[in-house]
Amino acid sequence: GAVVSQHPSRVICKSGTSVKIECRSLDFQATTMFWYRQFPKKSLMLMATSNEGSKATYEQGVEKDKFLINHASLTLSTLTVTSAHPEDSSFYICSARMGFYGYTFGSGTRLTVV
Amino acid sequence: AQSVTQLGSHVSVSEGALVLLRCNYSSSVPPYLFWYVQYPNQGLQLLLKYTTGATLVKGINGFEAEFKKSETSFHLTKPSAHMSDAAEYFCAVSEGAGGSYIPTFGRGTSLIVHP
Repeated sequence: GAVVSQHPSRVICKSGTSVKIECRSLDFQATTMFWYRQFPKKSLMLMATSNEGSKATYEQGVEKDKFLINHASLTLSTLTVTSAHPEDSSFYICSARMGFYGYTFGSGTRLTVV
Repeated sequence: AQSVTQLGSHVSVSEGALVLLRCNYSSSVPPYLFWYVQYPNQGLQLLLKYTTGATLVKGINGFEAEFKKSETSFHLTKPSAHMSDAAEYFCAVSEGAGGSYIPTFGRGTSLIVHP
């Protein structure tokens, strides 16, 4: 089946540094990918929709200069958390649309900013 | 606009007992409905989905869900709980034609299975 690979699974970084998270579709082409943020005991919050070859569409309240999204190929989307702060610590999950109804999810990245 | 309500943030059952996780939705167009499972520090895995056709949908790991339009519900059930079913479960709705198709998730229900 369609697989989305997300790396790294865990990352710890110092406050003020930037962190890049990769999301790859392994056996299919994903023209659209999605980035979610999940707080403890909370649902998934859609951050942005990533479209191959064009600018990402950010949800209201999400800082696009802090959360940089690049979707340069049909199999790779990246999320860069710039100048990370402890409040950016969270679980980030990417997802890719498969066909008309389906979505497959990456295994998530636990970001801890110290 | 679409929304999902999952009743009960936690459901606790004994191993072998019936599992019932409740989901109600609102949608301005015929919905597509999904249940996902999430294990600790993992992404989401699709359990089952309803798009059109038969309202009783069977998924993986013995789970099934029934779409009831009159009740705007899509409850998830499993006849006999197993310890390995302990996880977080998310119901999601996606609007069909004319909508964005991006799913909206409920807040999740944590399933606890006691031996």
